[in-house]
Amino acid sequence: GAVVSQHPSRVICKSGTSVKIECRSLDFQATTMFWYRQFPKQSLMLMATSNEGSKATYEQGVEKDKFLINHASLTLSTLTVTSAHPEDSSFYICSARVRVYHTEAFFGQGTRLTVV
Amino acid sequence: KQEVTQIPAALSVPEGENLVLNCSFTDSAIYNLQWFRQDPGKGLTSLLLIQSSQREQTSGRLNASLDKSSGRSTLYIAASQPGDSATYLCAVVPSNFGNEKLTFGTGTRLTIIP
Repeated sequence: GAVVSQHPSRVICKSGTSVKIECRSLDFQATTMFWYRQFPKQSLMLMATSNEGSKATYEQGVEKDKFLINHASLTLSTLTVTSAHPEDSSFYICSARVRVYHTEAFFGQGTRLTVV
Repeated sequence: KQEVTQIPAALSVPEGENLVLNCSFTDSAIYNLQWFRQDPGKGLTSLLLIQSSQREQTSGRLNASLDKSSGRSTLYIAASQPGDSATYLCAVVPSNFGNEKLTFGTGTRLTIIP
């Protein structure tokens, strides 16, 4: 299957700082990428849908000013957690589809964010 | 609103046994259904994708079936191995064009006992 690379896999930051997470599709072009958050022993919660060249669409209850998403190219989307707080500590996972609607979704390895 | 449920939430079986994981969804208007596995602290690995027009898909020891009218899918794992221990998630994509969102099930945590 297609490869989605997410970086970093783990990050620890201080409260008040910002953290950027990258999601790259390595061997295909992804017009749409998705960002999820996962709490311990729970399923994935969709945060936002990222379309190349346009603004991201955020799910209800997700603060767009706190979770900045940029999808500047067909192979790269970034999630920046701004002014991080301990409650932002979580596992963040990105997903991408190949450049055709309704095809198989591929996921990154996830990023464990810890805010201290 | 689509709801996806997986039962049981956890399952332990001895190595070598065949097993079935269940996935139910409330809205049958889906485009496809995908099964994933997730190892602790890791991302999701795609196992099988079933289009709404298909009834099953096979990959190695895995076989996934889909009964769209009844809102059910099963993942059959043959001759289970300790390496199959993971959380298994099913997810559906709605059939309305342009809506790419996956709705995930609650997951089944599988433990294969050596």
